[in-house]
Amino acid sequence: KNEVEQSPQNLTAQEGEFITINCSYSVGISALHWLQQHPGGGIVSLFMLSSGKKKHGRLIATINIQEKHSSLHITASHPRDSAVYICAVIKTGNQFYFGTGTSLTVIP
Amino acid sequence: KAGVTQTPRYLIKTRGQQVTLSCSPISGHRSVSWYQQTPGQGLQFLFEYFSETQRNKGNFPGRFSGRQFSNSRSEMNVSTLELGDSALYLCASSLQGDGYTFGSGTRLTVV
Repeated sequence: KNEVEQSPQNLTAQEGEFITINCSYSVGISALHWLQQHPGGGIVSLFMLSSGKKKHGRLIATINIQEKHSSLHITASHPRDSAVYICAVIKTGNQFYFGTGTSLTVIP
Repeated sequence: KAGVTQTPRYLIKTRGQQVTLSCSPISGHRSVSWYQQTPGQGLQFLFEYFSETQRNKGNFPGRFSGRQFSNSRSEMNVSTLELGDSALYLCASSLQGDGYTFGSGTRLTVV
């Protein structure tokens, strides 16, 4: 069983749509990251969360520690948002566990 | 400011050989962590170094090792390469284990 489960695995949206990607985890964590990976491999850390909600531009990330769940929202999606989004948790003790990623395609 | 630099970008090695990958963190960052990404297993944590000490290690065999130098640059070594070691190897640096910045990765192909 994976410690981190993401859904959906694949997502296709029309430009302008509101997008939600979900992440559930089963271990005690000290923090959760949302990562973005574009074709070619480069990874960008979008958010690090240990509680509550963070917003950066059109991206919003929330975490519910009691329910062991986090969501990444993209408002007014754009084709440049097309990428793989990966949820990663830092288990207490600094061990990283990764979700399998959500492949997002935004169609103009 | 300069980002995280990984060298080389691409590498082809023969089964049984060994390989050393390098990661130069953002200036001032003392934590460097390494990850392996394959199509089958996704991203997996290899190890983390902080101030020249290995702070955490993932579930990889002893053929995978690393070290960190006094200037925080880190190297990762894989000995006795196997075909399954073909992967994208990523490193990330952070100030103290918060807010990670990733390098572009080294794509290793073992033939």
